[in-house]
Amino acid sequence: EAGVTQFPSHSVIEKGQTVTLRCDPISGHDNLYWYRRVMGKEIKFLLHFVKESKQDESGMPNNRFLAERTGGTYSTLKVQPAELEDSGVYFCASSQDRPIYEQYFGPGTRLTVT
Amino acid sequence: GEDVEQSLFLSVREGDSSVINCTYTDSSSTYLYWYKQEPGAGLQLLTYIFSNMDMKQDQRLTVLLNKKDKHLSLRIADTQTGDSAIYFCAEGDYGGATNKLIFGTGTLLAVQP
Repeated sequence: EAGVTQFPSHSVIEKGQTVTLRCDPISGHDNLYWYRRVMGKEIKFLLHFVKESKQDESGMPNNRFLAERTGGTYSTLKVQPAELEDSGVYFCASSQDRPIYEQYFGPGTRLTVT
Repeated sequence: GEDVEQSLFLSVREGDSSVINCTYTDSSSTYLYWYKQEPGAGLQLLTYIFSNMDMKQDQRLTVLLNKKDKHLSLRIADTQTGDSAIYFCAEGDYGGATNKLIFGTGTLLAVQP
């Protein structure tokens, strides 16, 4: 069974540009989460989808970040316009409904904003 | 507020036991986790413990939970060079509307041959 996949693995963009990150969860997992780790700090929660609905987006830093999950399968996280402080590693995770507490993470996308 | 703290670095010799410690603040946490991140890889779910348990053992891994002190530890027996990685402690609360994990900053485990 394929794990959580993320694309791209690494992205380098200039300040002010737009970047879209993609996450494909494990097949059959209704729950999809985005997290990020900035500057070697702790990994912080961004948001949680249940199928195509946003269950919790309390961790989204500001309105430059837009997450979508059309059709309840893969998800995209768009940053527009990117700022220097957005640099970091963006992780996606997924879990089943039962047990919901087992979150499986992807390899992450390293975003560098110059 | 919610906070998870870990020491940043631990160095051990191959064959010794490693103990990685973590403290958390959210008393409503229902699950506590250890994730492992090897260089260039993603986060691997290593093990987790339900908050009404004191201990969980899985092969070379032993998780101890002291709920009174909000202290979690991961013991790795017979540590190998392949255990060198960053270990993240995390707490999760699945009783409410959110299922987010709160992570610590990670502990870098360096295993010396």
